[in-house]
Amino acid sequence: EDQVTQSPEALRLQEGESSSLNCSYTVSGLRGLFWYRQDPGKGPEFLFTLYSAGEEKEKERLKATLTKKESFLHITAPKPEDSATYLCAVQAPFGGAQKLVFGQGTRLTINP
Amino acid sequence: KAGVTQTPRYLIKTRGQQVTLSCSPISGHRSVSWYQQTPGQGLQFLFEYFSETQRNKGNFPGRFSGRQFSNSRSEMNVSTLELGDSALYLCASSLMSGKLTGELFFGEGSRLTVL
Repeated sequence: EDQVTQSPEALRLQEGESSSLNCSYTVSGLRGLFWYRQDPGKGPEFLFTLYSAGEEKEKERLKATLTKKESFLHITAPKPEDSATYLCAVQAPFGGAQKLVFGQGTRLTINP
Repeated sequence: KAGVTQTPRYLIKTRGQQVTLSCSPISGHRSVSWYQQTPGQGLQFLFEYFSETQRNKGNFPGRFSGRQFSNSRSEMNVSTLELGDSALYLCASSLMSGKLTGELFFGEGSRLTVL
């Protein structure tokens, strides 16, 4: 069974304090790994897609990396507006493109 | 460009009732999927539709059903509501099924409370 585990569950940082969020996955044949951001009361918002080990993607203060067993979301010099829940998901090996298996998320709080 | 629109945003039902939720995808998007989000289980896939056909279904009982119309709008129905059905139901759309982008555009969800 495909599984995605994210750690830590919650993380509090001071503004400017860099850190990393972890996503470990177990899937039979990774088709893609995805990062989403979710703000309270909103639906998830797409951030990145990673397809193969060694791949990296960047967007502003965020950088996602992928190995054969896990992915990291690095956040550099975060600002309070980066506070959100970050969700990791893998695409199921069989079935439609929209069937994603999500982790429980990491709730990130950036204090000014 | 309008985003994914879900209605109603909030609703309260009692056990045993049934509920219908509606989703209008982004214009031009033909693929729609539904997810259930709860604090305990997180986001769980319900089903996916493309061109009015169900392409995939998650591990939910038959009380959960859905359909897609010719204009790509979608509805999901939950019959004989149980307390455990209380959740945020999210609809997502994408341009097409089978395209491996993983970029789903989510609506803001319909928050269902079952009393």
